[in-house]
Amino acid sequence: GAVVSQHPSWVICKSGTSVKIECRSLDFQATTMFWYRQFPKQSLMLMATSNEGSKATYEQGVEKDKFLINHASLTLSTLTVTSAHPEDSSFYICSARPPLVRPNTEAFFGQGTRLTVV
Amino acid sequence: KQEVTQIPAALSVPEGENLVLNCSFTDSAIYNLQWFRQDPGKGLTSLLLIQSSQREQTSGRLNASLDKSSGRSTLYIAASQPGDSATYLCAVRRSNDYKLSFGAGTTVTVRA
Repeated sequence: GAVVSQHPSWVICKSGTSVKIECRSLDFQATTMFWYRQFPKQSLMLMATSNEGSKATYEQGVEKDKFLINHASLTLSTLTVTSAHPEDSSFYICSARPPLVRPNTEAFFGQGTRLTVV
Repeated sequence: KQEVTQIPAALSVPEGENLVLNCSFTDSAIYNLQWFRQDPGKGLTSLLLIQSSQREQTSGRLNASLDKSSGRSTLYIAASQPGDSATYLCAVRRSNDYKLSFGAGTTVTVRA
């Protein structure tokens, strides 16, 4: 079946540094990918929609200069957390939408990235 | 803004018991509703997708119903097993785009 791979699965970084998270669709081309953030015991919150070849669309309240999204190819989207601070520590998950609907799903999710900023 | 609520937040049952997980949403103008499973520290695995025109979907021991007009969906898991222990999330898709609004999930523990 379709697989979306997210890397790294966890990362610890120092406050003030930047961290890049990759999201790859392994067996289909994804013109649209989504980035979510999840706090413990809370729901996933959509951060932005990543569109191949164009600028990402950010949800209200998400700082586009802090969370840089690049979707340079049909199989790769990246999220860069710039000048990370402890409050950016969270679980980040991407999803990719295949061009054709598959049974029981419209999008496949990566395994998530646990970011800890110290 | 779509609000999705899942009750209860946590559930513990003995093995073999049937599970009933509830999901409610405030805006009935949805395109579809999905149920996902999330294991600790992992991504999401899609379980069932119900289109807005459908009343239910079934896959093995899982059955999900949808009452769009009342803004409710229920996930039934028959004859629960310890391997069913996980957090179950429901998500609704708005009619006009592919964005999903998620509930906070129900964490299920099935005791052997």
